[in-house]
Amino acid sequence: KQEVTQIPAALSVPEGENLVLNCSFTDSAIYNLQWFRQDPGKGLTSLLLIQSSQREQTSGRLNASLDKSSGRSTLYIAASQPGDSATYLCAVPNSGNTPLVFGKGTRLSVIA
Amino acid sequence: NAGVTQTPKFQVLKTGQSMTLQCAQDMNHEYMSWYRQDPGMGLRLIHYSVGAGITDQGEVPNGYNVSRSTTEDFPLRLLSAAPSQTSVYFCASSYSNPGQGYRQETQYFGPGTRLLVL
Repeated sequence: KQEVTQIPAALSVPEGENLVLNCSFTDSAIYNLQWFRQDPGKGLTSLLLIQSSQREQTSGRLNASLDKSSGRSTLYIAASQPGDSATYLCAVPNSGNTPLVFGKGTRLSVIA
Repeated sequence: NAGVTQTPKFQVLKTGQSMTLQCAQDMNHEYMSWYRQDPGMGLRLIHYSVGAGITDQGEVPNGYNVSRSTTEDFPLRLLSAAPSQTSVYFCASSYSNPGQGYRQETQYFGPGTRLLVL
């Protein structure tokens, strides 16, 4: 059964800092990985989807990398802003074509 | 597009009552899922559907029923509410790519339903 771990559970950084969030998964036979953002009391918003054939995906100040063989992904946030404060979750399929298994997330606080 | 919509936003039930959480999407997505989110437990899959007429159980299906009579709607029924079902419930949908073996693509979430069972 797929298991997803995110480290750290919480992170507090000053505004302007570059930061990295980590995600690891136990079954490397995935076809894609998604990163989501969740604001308090809200639903999840998809940030990036990386296909298994890709190594990186970029959207604005966000860059996600995927190392399928080692079961790891990172989300890099450049020049962090207070508006980036949220919980970030990564998710991969359980097996084959089944719905996603989520990590417990990293709660990010960017201090002005 | 409205995306994924959920009703109600908030509900209080007494133990033993039943209710239906509604979920609808207007993106013609084949995949739809129900998750519950609890502090310290993360998101856990309740039930999912890969198309109209097809449903399957997830990690925590006990106490919940689903059906999928149309592509657009995927209601979640609580048969006899228990305090352990107090949670935030999220519905999600995604496109499955026929050119890639019907793999799921980006998943879209609804805003959630907060349920309190007394």
